[in-house]
Amino acid sequence: KQEVTQIPAALSVPEGENLVLNCSFTDSAIYNLQWFRQDPGKGLTSLLLIQSSQREQTSGRLNASLDKSSGRSTLYIAASQPGDSATYLCAVRPQVRGGADGLTFGKGTHLIIQP
Amino acid sequence: DTGVSQDPRHKITKRGQNVTFRCDPISEHNRLYWYRQTLGQGPEFLTYFQNEAQLEKSRLLSDRFSAERPKGSFSTLEIQRTEQGDSAMYLCASSLAWRELDTQYFGPGTRLTVL
Repeated sequence: KQEVTQIPAALSVPEGENLVLNCSFTDSAIYNLQWFRQDPGKGLTSLLLIQSSQREQTSGRLNASLDKSSGRSTLYIAASQPGDSATYLCAVRPQVRGGADGLTFGKGTHLIIQP
Repeated sequence: DTGVSQDPRHKITKRGQNVTFRCDPISEHNRLYWYRQTLGQGPEFLTYFQNEAQLEKSRLLSDRFSAERPKGSFSTLEIQRTEQGDSAMYLCASSLAWRELDTQYFGPGTRLTVL
């Protein structure tokens, strides 16, 4: 059974710092990995999707890497801003026959950027 | 706005009552997913549709839960004889399946409270 772990569970840093969120998964047979952002009481916003054949994806101040063989992904946030405060969730889609299955999520990293 | 929409946003019910939630996916998306999220946890996969066919159900989906997607458009999730343990945020997501590029887009969720 796939398990996704996110470290740290919570993080509080001053505005302007660069930071790294970590995600690990136990089964490397994945189709893709997705990073999401969730604001309190709201739904999820997709940030980046990395295909199993890719090593990284970038969007603005965000960069996500994937090392499928070691079961790890990182989300790098550059020049953090108070508006980045949210819970960041990592999710993997397993590589099953037909390629159709739900995502397995970690518990998230609760990020607070201090003004 | 042509994102995923869910209705209602909040539902309070008494134990033993039946409830039904609706999800309207992004119009051209052929895949629709239901997830459940409890406080402090990541979303957990419940079930998945490709067009009108329900292709997978999680073991979390007890006999009291039923989902439909008539005509491959909107979907409904019904919970019969609700229990306090059903209290959670119910999230719907949709995607356009194209090889690995099936980014899942989430709706705002329906928060269920069972008294």
